[in-house]
Amino acid sequence: GAGVSQSPSNKVTEKGKDVELRCDPISGHTALYWYRQSLGQGLEFLIYFQGNSAPDKSGLPSDRFSAERTGGSVSTLTIQRTQQEDSAVYLCASSLGQGNQPQHFGDGTRLSIL
Amino acid sequence: SQQGEEDPQALSIQEGENATMNCSYKTSINNLQWYRQNSGRGLVHLILIRSNEREKHSGRLRVTLDTSKKSSSLLITASRAADTASYFCATALWAGNMLTFGGGTRLMVKP
Repeated sequence: GAGVSQSPSNKVTEKGKDVELRCDPISGHTALYWYRQSLGQGLEFLIYFQGNSAPDKSGLPSDRFSAERTGGSVSTLTIQRTQQEDSAVYLCASSLGQGNQPQHFGDGTRLSIL
Repeated sequence: SQQGEEDPQALSIQEGENATMNCSYKTSINNLQWYRQNSGRGLVHLILIRSNEREKHSGRLRVTLDTSKKSSSLLITASRAADTASYFCATALWAGNMLTFGGGTRLMVKP
């Protein structure tokens, strides 16, 4: 079956603009995760959705970042008033969410803020 | 913040040699996972080892876990040029939880 799909694959935008990044998880996966990968900070957790539970937002770096997951499937990560330090690769992963399960990653969205 | 550190940061070997990468972490964990990342791509899951396990094998991969030392190692035997990638360890505090990643090891296998 299809893996985790992320769009767009690349996004270039001007500082101060809002951006939306999309993630389509593997069908049937109840858990969905967002991570950020940058040269200076490595791989960082951002936010985690598990079923109908309230998301774990503990990794979001500022209130400019938000995410939602509609219908327990597709997720959108929104960054408002982008700053240059937001430039990074944003990775989405999904898993079955129960027990010890591996996470399956998309190829990411490479975000560049000019 | 990163849970742990990986050692070495970079490793260059000849095809056919074995590659060993080490990972240390700071807190008690439920499981530890190893991932591979090729340039410009997402992470690919390799092996998951639970906290009550000491060793796991998958093909040419062997992972050990020492919870008393809070460390793990990944051994790739008979390496191939196609193994060239970055390798990351990641820990989960409980099953299904988000992962905390190490800094990664960049492996280059020369043909």
